[in-house]
Amino acid sequence: DIQMTQSPSSLSSSVGDRVTITCRASQSISSYLNWYQHKPGKAPKLLIYAASSLQSGVPSRFSGSGSGTDFTLTISSLQPEDFAIYSCQQSYNSPYTFGQGTKLEIK
Amino acid sequence: EVQLLESGGDLVQPGESLRLSCAASGFTFSNNAMSWVRQAPGKGLEWVSGISGSGGRTYYADSVKGRFTISRDTSKNTLYLQMNSLRAEDTAVYFCAKSSTGAVAAPFDHWGQGTLVTVSS
Repeated sequence: DIQMTQSPSSLSSSVGDRVTITCRASQSISSYLNWYQHKPGKAPKLLIYAASSLQSGVPSRFSGSGSGTDFTLTISSLQPEDFAIYSCQQSYNSPYTFGQGTKLEIK
Repeated sequence: EVQLLESGGDLVQPGESLRLSCAASGFTFSNNAMSWVRQAPGKGLEWVSGISGSGGRTYYADSVKGRFTISRDTSKNTLYLQMNSLRAEDTAVYFCAKSSTGAVAAPFDHWGQGTLVTVSS
């Protein structure tokens, strides 16, 4: 199985900050990498697919990059509604594993 | 508007069975693959199982292979997860998720809000 490792596990930032979360795959997954945002008690939300494509309706302050084994999710200017958990997922092959999540908290 | 509504979560004892359902609306159900994803208390998301749009292909995580069965009923626009021989480590919120295409590997562009399964004696 492909292991997905995110860093950091948690992050404290302020509104307006630029934030970067990284995700590393245990083997090359080309660009088969998705990013999700989830909040307690709510349905997770797809932000980025295929490593760098912005899902329809997602604000442009979110961006993704990378290929192979190393990927990043960047939020250019944090908004209050962005404080949540972010998870990467590989869709290269089954089982379609997730990273352990990064909790983004208000400083 | 796409809507996914899970049901069937409950408190059960180890070794017992449970069937989860996910009622889908707002899209042509047979066009899209579907998956179940779970989140155990204090843990990250774990993909559990997926089924292609046609229903002809199914996939499972090793942790549930041989115990869980995914299926879909196009006439009822409903996804199912039959869970047998439940273990304490299956305790989690179970989400159903819609793939953006008929392939299970496609990104999950819509999710339900989840149903809680607790396995405890």
